[in-house]
Amino acid sequence: EDKVVQSPLSLVVHEGDTVTLNCSYEVTNFRSLLWYKQEKKAPTFLFMLTSSGIEKKSGRLSSILDKKELFSILNITATQTGDSAIYLCAVEAVGGGADGLTFGKGTHLIIQP
Amino acid sequence: EAGVTQSPTHLIKTRGQQATLRCSPISGHTSVYWYQQALGLGLQFLLWYDEGEERNRGNFPPRFSGRQFPNYSSELNVNALELEDSALYLCASNLAGGPNIQYFGAGTRLSVL
Repeated sequence: EDKVVQSPLSLVVHEGDTVTLNCSYEVTNFRSLLWYKQEKKAPTFLFMLTSSGIEKKSGRLSSILDKKELFSILNITATQTGDSAIYLCAVEAVGGGADGLTFGKGTHLIIQP
Repeated sequence: EAGVTQSPTHLIKTRGQQATLRCSPISGHTSVYWYQQALGLGLQFLLWYDEGEERNRGNFPPRFSGRQFPNYSSELNVNALELEDSALYLCASNLAGGPNIQYFGAGTRLSVL
């Protein structure tokens, strides 16, 4: 059974801090790993990673995948209160949508002013 | 461009009743996925529809069912509601044949009393 584990489950930091969120996975026939941000209800897409060692970057957010060690990290630098959200990691197996995406439980990030 | 829309926003039912949830995908997307997000459990894959057909289902009992209409909108039906069905139900769509980046709606909050 495919499995995604995120850590920490919750994190409270101050505005301006840098945070690193972790995602490890066990999946048969890995295809891609995705990060989403869930603020109220709708998860919004952040990154899709398929290749090891290639960093994806968008503003203050960046992510990298290690396919050998089976994990990914999401970094947020110079955090702002608007970064407060649940960050979800999901993996996709080969076969595309056949099994949907397998999600971790998420990291609840709180940025204090 | 309109995103994924779901209705109703909230639904309150009593045990044993039936619930119907609706989803309209992003224009041009033919695949629709349903997920259940219960407290503490993360997103669990329920059903996948593509081109009007059910392609796969997650580990849920048969009282969870649905369909996809010719315009690619979808319905999720939950029969014989149980208290543990209380959750946020999220619908996502993606472009068939492309990378499996799923775009989510804001969900329907189902409360079973």
